[in-house]
Amino acid sequence: SQELEQSPQSLIVQEGKNLTINCTSSKTLYGLYWYKQKYGEGLIFLMMLQKGGEEKSHEKITAKLDEKKQQSSLHITASQPSHAGIYLCGADNTGGFKTIFGAGTRLFVKA
Amino acid sequence: NAGVTQTPKFQVLKTGQSMTLQCAQDMNHEYMSWYRQDPGMGLRLIHYSVGAGITDQGEVPNGYNVSRSTTEDFPLRLLSAAPSQTSVYFCASSYRTGDNEQFFGPGTRLTVL
Repeated sequence: SQELEQSPQSLIVQEGKNLTINCTSSKTLYGLYWYKQKYGEGLIFLMMLQKGGEEKSHEKITAKLDEKKQQSSLHITASQPSHAGIYLCGADNTGGFKTIFGAGTRLFVKA
Repeated sequence: NAGVTQTPKFQVLKTGQSMTLQCAQDMNHEYMSWYRQDPGMGLRLIHYSVGAGITDQGEVPNGYNVSRSTTEDFPLRLLSAAPSQTSVYFCASSYRTGDNEQFFGPGTRLTVL
């Protein structure tokens, strides 16, 4: 079965610094999703990537899907305290009926 | 729109008790699902539904039942609670099957003693 591995598990950065979170799949990705979870709350959809080499941006967050479609990275530029939370990647498992998720990356931003 | 709502927010049960976690959405979404979130394990799919009257199992369905009698509601029943079911439970919905911009509820934190 497909698995998603995220790295790092947790990250502490100084406000204003850039950071990258990675998501690696054991199989080819046909749809890769990034969600953000504020501590103690539900998940919020950030963006979806489907094509090899695709890159999307939303405010200061950029996500890329590699050409082989087995790895995605999430890059935050000039981090702010509002970026703190848990970032999870998700992927289609069976025709879109079942989404699997990585374990998440906990991001802490020091002011 | 209230979006996806879940009740209760917190619940403590004793081993062997049963209860129902409620989930409702007011966006006319076809697809609804239940996940549990445990430390270090991300979200795992329990059950899902692609429309009223249709449900199916996810990765970890044992000990849970679901039904979908209306488009809006998708309750999750714990038949006989066990300590291993201590977790945070999230309900999610999306407009159509395969549309992975899912909308998540705020979660129910369940402790089974």
